[in-house]
Amino acid sequence: GQQLNQSPQSMFIQEGEDVSMNCTSSSIFNTWLWYKQEPGEGPVLLIALYKAGELTSNGRLTAQFGITRKDSFLNISASIPSDVGIYFCAGPISGTYKYIFGTGTRLKVLA
Amino acid sequence: NAGVTQTPKFQVLKTGQSMTLQCAQDMNHNSMYWYRQDPGMGLRLIYYSASEGTTDKGEVPNGYNVSRLNKREFSLRLESAAPSQTSVYFCASSVSTVNTEAFFGQGTRLTVV
Repeated sequence: GQQLNQSPQSMFIQEGEDVSMNCTSSSIFNTWLWYKQEPGEGPVLLIALYKAGELTSNGRLTAQFGITRKDSFLNISASIPSDVGIYFCAGPISGTYKYIFGTGTRLKVLA
Repeated sequence: NAGVTQTPKFQVLKTGQSMTLQCAQDMNHNSMYWYRQDPGMGLRLIYYSASEGTTDKGEVPNGYNVSRLNKREFSLRLESAAPSQTSVYFCASSVSTVNTEAFFGQGTRLTVV
């Protein structure tokens, strides 16, 4: 079935470092969304992207909608301990109502 | 604000038992979803309801049924639970299925023994 592949699968970084992760698909997406999930909670939306090439920021987070519409990137600058969690890309498969999630990037920040 | 409410939060079933997971949203959203999340994995779509009165299969529908009872409520039923259905189940809702964010419940942790 359709998959959104995220890389890296996990990251251990020092507090203050910048983080980059990406999400790729074999199919076109018209919307890319980035979520964060903390232990014991449901995912919470961080950033939504609606146009190819779009670059959007939310505080220290910046995400980009790839121009091919088959990928997206999330960057976190100057990481802090509360950035710990699992980051997921997601979106509805173009032409369908199926709203699917990526495999996730698990982030751990060392103080 | 309640948002998306799931019940129960925890459940243990014996193999072969049946149960229904309940989900309700108070945001007047049109679309609702059920996902399962297994350790170390992302969320996989089980079923979704694009609007009241419609339901469709997602990525992993086998062994489940759903009912969109009304605009607020979307339930997930396991007719004969199997150990492979041990997972954390999340319900979500969105204004529509296109170009909008989904809001999630707290999850139901289900163990089938």
